[in-house]
Amino acid sequence: DTGVSQDPRHKITKRGQNVTFRCDPISEHNRLYWYRQTLGQGPEFLTYFQNEAQLEKSRLLSDRFSAERPKGSFSTLEIQRTEQGDSAMYLCASSPPPRYGNIQYFGAGTRLSVL
Amino acid sequence: AQSVTQLDSQVPVFEEAPVELRCNYSSSVSVYLFWYVQYPNQGLQLLLKYLSGSTLVKGINGFEAEFNKSQTSFHLRKPSVHISDTAEYFCAVSGGFQKLVFGTGTRLLVSP
Repeated sequence: DTGVSQDPRHKITKRGQNVTFRCDPISEHNRLYWYRQTLGQGPEFLTYFQNEAQLEKSRLLSDRFSAERPKGSFSTLEIQRTEQGDSAMYLCASSPPPRYGNIQYFGAGTRLSVL
Repeated sequence: AQSVTQLDSQVPVFEEAPVELRCNYSSSVSVYLFWYVQYPNQGLQLLLKYLSGSTLVKGINGFEAEFNKSQTSFHLRKPSVHISDTAEYFCAVSGGFQKLVFGTGTRLLVSP
């Protein structure tokens, strides 16, 4: 078990470009979460999948953001037409089935810088 | 809806001294409570959790926390800190098998 894996670790892009991040959860974890963390703040929830179904989306997730989890395995988070305000650390977490409690395991994150 | 308040943005302490990081939560339902630690440029690592049962929970690296329902608190404590404990600590709450709601974090600064 190698933990939650996120790729890339760092991404620098120009304003207006599209970016895509990938998250590979711990195997057999059926729930997957995306959070965003800006400097000096705690992580804020973006969206949540149970298997391949996207069950909740935050109001923070504007129309420029889309997330998928095809086949209930890895997930991608895409940001279209990036803005400087999108600069943040994007964290992915996964958790096992409910009988183990809502314990979320986090990846190392993808740090996005929009120039 | 849930919310978390971490009262101290920064806590300086000398090595081998005890420390307490404060966390208060607000929730209209039964909660699960967590403390995570974040080292620079890294993700979050789970320190400890309260799901049910004993209100005193022990975690990794010698940390412990006590769930106090009447005071809606979940303070983190360690009897003797090390330089390596310098990091950002986040308290979080969830109302079930859902998203975590985090506080703004407390930076623990341990000096020799």
